[in-house]
Amino acid sequence: EIVLTQSPGTLSLSPGERATLSCRASQSVSSSYLAWYQQKPGQAPRLLIYGASSRATGIPDRFSGSGSGTDFTLTISRLEPEDFAVYYCQQYGSSPPTFGPGTKVDIK
Amino acid sequence: EVQLVESGGVVVQPGGSLRLSCAASGFTFDDYAMHWVRQAPGKGLEWVSLISWDGGSTYYADSVKGRFTISRDNSKNSLYLQMNSLRAEDTALYYCAKEGLAYRSGSYEDYWGQGTLVTVSS
Repeated sequence: EIVLTQSPGTLSLSPGERATLSCRASQSVSSSYLAWYQQKPGQAPRLLIYGASSRATGIPDRFSGSGSGTDFTLTISRLEPEDFAVYYCQQYGSSPPTFGPGTKVDIK
Repeated sequence: EVQLVESGGVVVQPGGSLRLSCAASGFTFDDYAMHWVRQAPGKGLEWVSLISWDGGSTYYADSVKGRFTISRDNSKNSLYLQMNSLRAEDTALYYCAKEGLAYRSGSYEDYWGQGTLVTVSS
């Protein structure tokens, strides 16, 4: 199975700053089948990005995804107060689908 | 509006059985595969199982294969997870999630329920 590694584990930033989250796969992710999810405490995950770079319905354009092969990035251009949360990447190109361990973005 | 509502989570003894349910609304249920994903307390997400839109194909994580069975009733817009031989490590919040693409099995999950908590403890 494909193992996903996310870095950093925790990112401490201030509102208005840019956040760059990394997701690295143990082998190439087929057809850039990579998604990003946001999860806030006590809530279900919410789909942000699929296909490595396509924003899901209703997701603000400050969220963007990029990458291919084994290296992927989620960028939040300017952090809003509601963006402080845990972010997970997921690959769905190979079975079983797997998630990364998450990156927590907290307020500095 | 898509809604997924899970139920059935309780405290159960090791070795016991449990059946989770997920009631779906707001979309054409029998056009979409459905997933179960779990999250142990304070931990990350773990994909558990997937069933195709017609119920003809099922897939499982190695950690639950042979113990869990996924099924669906398209006439009732419902998804199920039968869990047998439960272990302490199955303790988690179990989410029902909708496949992102119609007539596909194994893409991203675009809508999630709020989860139902399963605790395996003596």
